[in-house]
Amino acid sequence: DTAVSQTPKYLVTQMGNDKSIKCEQNLGHDTMYWYKQDSKKFLKIMFSYNNKELIINETVPNRFSPKSPDKAHLNLHINSLELGDSAVYFCASSPPGQYTGELFFGEGSRLTVL
Amino acid sequence: GENVEQHPSTLSVQEGDSAVIKCTYSDSASNYFPWYKQELGKRPQLIIDIRSNVGEKKDQRIAVTLNKTAKHFSLHITETQPEDSAVYFCAASLLSGYSTLTFGKGTMLLVSP
Repeated sequence: DTAVSQTPKYLVTQMGNDKSIKCEQNLGHDTMYWYKQDSKKFLKIMFSYNNKELIINETVPNRFSPKSPDKAHLNLHINSLELGDSAVYFCASSPPGQYTGELFFGEGSRLTVL
Repeated sequence: GENVEQHPSTLSVQEGDSAVIKCTYSDSASNYFPWYKQELGKRPQLIIDIRSNVGEKKDQRIAVTLNKTAKHFSLHITETQPEDSAVYFCAASLLSGYSTLTFGKGTMLLVSP
């Protein structure tokens, strides 16, 4: 009964490959996010979607392409992976309404690019 | 955009001591200040939050204070326990529209028995 679930939890791949991470939430939230946590633990917003519509794209390279087929899902596809893409990627969601209150994070997906 | 500075980056205390983590923010329009705890290998989870119309909020052993004039807010943990060991993140946002949380860089708290 995980509220925000991500797959896969671990991903090891070679430079230049393309990979995807999937996220699903069963909380009925309207807004979903992707955050990147680097090796120094810094949490940085990448994208925000509200009801399948892109709201925020924080100067992320266009190799990263989010897709939201419905408001319960937000997937992240990464093309031409680079060493610097190695990080933990967290999906999150927040309750409906006009304000951003508590974020509910998934367990994270650790991406290692070799 | 918002910028959140957090200090210290690491904090070691003995069990039973108090711990204080401080954050400053740059955008005077921000009005929501949550704190998240992230245990090793786990997801960040909200532990307490405060809105700009309140100066202090307590929940058992944790408390948060806010000084809007100074754009400064702090997390206080009393009677620390080993299970308090984790990375703590402060954050700030404007509770309006679709603004997102801007996080500080985190404080690794280590509580020694």
